[in-house]
Amino acid sequence: ETGVTQTPRHLVMGMTNKKSLKCEQHLGHNAMYWYKQSAKKPLELMFVYNFKEQTENNSVPSRFSPECPNSSHLFLHLHTLQPEDSALYLCASSEERTGFTDTQYFGPGTRLTVL
Amino acid sequence: RKEVEQDPGPFNVPEGATVAFNCTYSNSASQSFFWYRQDCRKEPKLLMSVYSSGNEDGRFTAQLNRASQYISLLIRDSKLSDSATYLCVVNAPAGGSQGNLIFGKGTKLSVKP
Repeated sequence: ETGVTQTPRHLVMGMTNKKSLKCEQHLGHNAMYWYKQSAKKPLELMFVYNFKEQTENNSVPSRFSPECPNSSHLFLHLHTLQPEDSALYLCASSEERTGFTDTQYFGPGTRLTVL
Repeated sequence: RKEVEQDPGPFNVPEGATVAFNCTYSNSASQSFFWYRQDCRKEPKLLMSVYSSGNEDGRFTAQLNRASQYISLLIRDSKLSDSATYLCVVNAPAGGSQGNLIFGKGTKLSVKP
């Protein structure tokens, strides 16, 4: 399935590095999301973009910086991360309509390790 | 109280068994309910939406009890391929909007031959 793609699939970085995660959706959706999934924890919503506008920042540290240039692409820029930021980072998209919460479709995720 | 609570399991069942998962949610204003399935080291995928009247999709049946704020998933005739983690998902309305989705930690199912 190639509805939502993410690159890279795996990333190892040092605490002083700067890297970016990329997500692209081919479903014609108008909303995109970044989630973090750590071991033994539920998915944590990080950011929401609706029609390219950020509508949610779930108290995420500033070392994570999202960018949504258009409704099909979403980036997560990383800098000066900590080892506890190691996790699976999942991108999702959905078609948001007033008064209706639609299904979210997830990409395969980027497994990030911070050394 | 956690927003979405599930028994983490694992549930270890033989092939052909019937197994049921339960989930409770804390926000009485929630209107959208889903079960997602997540295989090991893979992304979550929608299994089924949960409707007020209950719904069935093949071997899978989902039920919603709004009064008790409780959702269930029943799997009949378990297959080896059903082994996965099942995530209960509920929306969290806020400020007049439908809000975002809140995920439970998931219930792990292992179906053995």
